[in-house]
Amino acid sequence: SQQGEEDPQALSIQEGENATMNCSYKTSINNLQWYRQNSGRGLVHLILIRSNEREKHSGRLRVTLDTSKKSSSLLITASRAADTASYFCATESGNTPLVFGKGTRLSVIA
Amino acid sequence: NAGVMQNPRHLVRRRGQEARLRCSPMKGHSHVYWYRQLPEEGLKFMVYLQKENIIDESGMPKERFSAEFPKEGPSILRIQQVVRGDSAAYFCASSPDLAGVGEQYFGPGTRLTVT
Repeated sequence: SQQGEEDPQALSIQEGENATMNCSYKTSINNLQWYRQNSGRGLVHLILIRSNEREKHSGRLRVTLDTSKKSSSLLITASRAADTASYFCATESGNTPLVFGKGTRLSVIA
Repeated sequence: NAGVMQNPRHLVRRRGQEARLRCSPMKGHSHVYWYRQLPEEGLKFMVYLQKENIIDESGMPKERFSAEFPKEGPSILRIQQVVRGDSAAYFCASSPDLAGVGEQYFGPGTRLTVT
């Protein structure tokens, strides 16, 4: 079964707006990772946040992690048309493989 | 430093044929992972290999699917007697560390279509 579940499934915003995507998971984790997938392409790693971290930044990306609620959010500020893609969270627990959610499809309209 | 390479990018097979998917990890990476992605779905883990060893194959179907990562050459995912339900994108990823420690680097995928 899926460990991570992203919400919303799809999101459409205007260029310049902020985009927020959420991820919920079920079991304890070592870390949570966010990936981006452009249509027809492989996944690109965006950011990793460890279970003892609460917030992490990378450029226009901000990720938060709330282990008490078993949830994470990915915020993309000042979105651009090039940010249009699917975004996946993936969780790592112990020695188990990464478990991916179904993703959020983000459309940024110019 | 070339990224993870997969070939072919697109593969069409008739029902009952065999499909062979190849993955060359990034230079210096000794860990390879295979995932399958159905349309509108996330990636589903299939198998994790190190050189000459299968570490975790908990996501592999019990029949018709096999994977190897020989001492020399790429990792191979083999699907025998393909069926329509095998149509999907198959992604390979590699990492230099133990499974789960740090990010994985993904290849562009092989899109398998079974007719």
